[in-house]
Amino acid sequence: NAGVTQTPKFRVLKTGQSMTLLCAQDMNHEYMYWYRQDPGMGLRLIHYSVGEGTTAKGEVPDGYNVSRLKKQNFLLGLESAAPSQTSVYFCASSSHRDRDPGYTFGSGTRLTVV
Amino acid sequence: AQKITQTQPGMFVQEKEAVTLDCTYDTSDQSYGLFWYKQPSSGEMIFLIYQGSYDEQNATEGRYSLNFQKARKSANLVISASQLGDSAMYFCAMREVVNSNSGYALNFGKGTSLLVTP
Repeated sequence: NAGVTQTPKFRVLKTGQSMTLLCAQDMNHEYMYWYRQDPGMGLRLIHYSVGEGTTAKGEVPDGYNVSRLKKQNFLLGLESAAPSQTSVYFCASSSHRDRDPGYTFGSGTRLTVV
Repeated sequence: AQKITQTQPGMFVQEKEAVTLDCTYDTSDQSYGLFWYKQPSSGEMIFLIYQGSYDEQNATEGRYSLNFQKARKSANLVISASQLGDSAMYFCAMREVVNSNSGYALNFGKGTSLLVTP
């Protein structure tokens, strides 16, 4: 099925460990995004990409890095995990066409840092 | 960043009744888009409805309609004939420019938890 696939779905990390979350889309979308969702906070933008090889910071980028070496993949890295990064992470993608409102979300990754 | 405000942390509605979920926004852009998403307890984000700022008619999608009042900067979601399966978190979001090369992202409100009772 076409869409956005996130791996892994669940992960428990110890403080200081590193990990990479993978997001893959098969819709040939130019734009990709990483959000985090915390209770009572809605979704907040971490980083985004407007095309292959480009990335930019969103609202809450500290402690995260991203890479988009291929158009279909957007990776989110945590170099040294902290308990404050315990959250649900969503990846999304969208087309660049103004009149196409479609944003497709992945199913989320639940990360716990202990 | 533009701001989205959802003032109702929680709402109750009886099955088969209509319910309105409030959303106000703040932007200086002339062109923008407003979205509503549903997040059930399973966690996925489900797109419900979209309204463009230049669209003259309110958007409708089945039992969902968006009451768009541009001058008041409000974009309320109306769910008609509520069903038990409508119990979920509902998020209002606005598409904002984040990159001068036509880069956009969604800016979300904090959400409203809707509980539909029998």
